[in-house]
This record gives sequence, structure tokens and C-alpha cells, in this order.
Amino acid sequence: NAGVTQTPKFRILKIGQSMTLQCTQDMNHNYMYWYRQDPGMGLKLIYYSVGAGITDKGEVPNGYNVSRSTTEDFPLRLELAAPSQTSVYFCASSYSELANEQFFGPGTRLTVL
Amino acid sequence: GQNIDQPTEMTATEGAIVQINCTYQTSGFNGLFWYQQHAGEAPTFLSYNVLDGLEEKGRFSSFLSRSKGYSYLLLKELQMKDSASYLCAVKRGGSYIPTFGRGTSLIVHP
Repeated sequence: NAGVTQTPKFRILKIGQSMTLQCTQDMNHNYMYWYRQDPGMGLKLIYYSVGAGITDKGEVPNGYNVSRSTTEDFPLRLELAAPSQTSVYFCASSYSELANEQFFGPGTRLTVL
Repeated sequence: GQNIDQPTEMTATEGAIVQINCTYQTSGFNGLFWYQQHAGEAPTFLSYNVLDGLEEKGRFSSFLSRSKGYSYLLLKELQMKDSASYLCAVKRGGSYIPTFGRGTSLIVHP
């Protein structure tokens, strides 16, 4: 199993550009999450999904959108990039709400200039 | 509330023992996680505590006191590779998604 994979690894955007961060897991996990991590600030939840077709907002959803058309994929969309969205983005998954472990992808380092 | 407090940074010597503390607000508590994160990498799961007491897993142990809103991660026989950030995360009843603290950066020196 590849686990949780994310693309791209690095990206530089100009203000106002849009992009999609890809996330795929091959563990048949129902639950998937998007976090952002700023230096010294821990992980903040952006959006999460409990299964295909179901998504919900986390702590910091503004400026982002998600979709979950399949169990495997959970892309994160930035429509109008802003410097405040410069961060490292982690996708994670878990089997169920009772699971005691989240599996994280390698992260995407995004810079908005 | 969601306040989770950890020291920002700690240093220790190779071969020594270090204890990283985490305090949290006790309302609705439903489990506590510790994750390890090396610089530039993803967090990886270390432990999960839901009942009081000490759970040992090799060189790493995690302790929980629910009444005090307190946990610690104990690392024994420190190695240079243990230099990393250690994240405490708390799960509360009604939400299965853990909230993360800011992490403790541990530096192990020879």
C-alpha cells in the first residue's frame, strides 16, 4: 500500500491564482482530512469528509473548497490564492471515527507571492 | 475550550530521559494522542491514551491523568534521531476529530 499520497510536493502561486492540491489514499479509509500547518502553530483543520459525497468545514475553511466523489480522493481547491495561505498542507485519513490513528500524507509546501 | 498547552522547545542529551508535558481543558475529554514529526515530514502516530495510567511502547511511554487534564510523553535512552517535534492532540466527546497543540520541538545533542 502507498498509504496517503499528495501532489504536488511544492508549489509557488501568484496572488489571485487558483490550484488544486491532490490527495489519494489506498487504505479504503472512510474519513479524510485536510490540515494546514504554519510555523509554531500546530495543525489546523480546514475540511474533513466522512465518506464519498459528504464534506464538512473544519476550523479554518475560508478560502478553500473540497469535494469527495470517491472514497480514495479528497482534493483541496484554492480559488483566489492569498499570501495568508502560504503554509504546509497535510492530508490525512482514518478508517472510522473510532480509529485511534490518523495516517498523514507527506505534505504540500505552498508559497503565495 | 480547546486549549492544549505544551512547552515550545526542550533540549536533552543523547542517552538521557526526557519528559514532554501536555495539559488540556478536561471538559468532554475522549482521548489523547501523541504524534512525532521530523522536520519537513508528516506526523506519525506514537500513542493513544483514553484511560488513566501509563502505556509503554519500547523506549516511549505515555501517561494520562484525566482528572488533572494532564499527559506526558516519556522518551528513554534518547537517540539523535529523536530530535523532532512532538504533537499532543485531544479528542472530545461529540467530535471524533482531534485538536492539535502547537507541538514541542525536542533537540537531542551529543
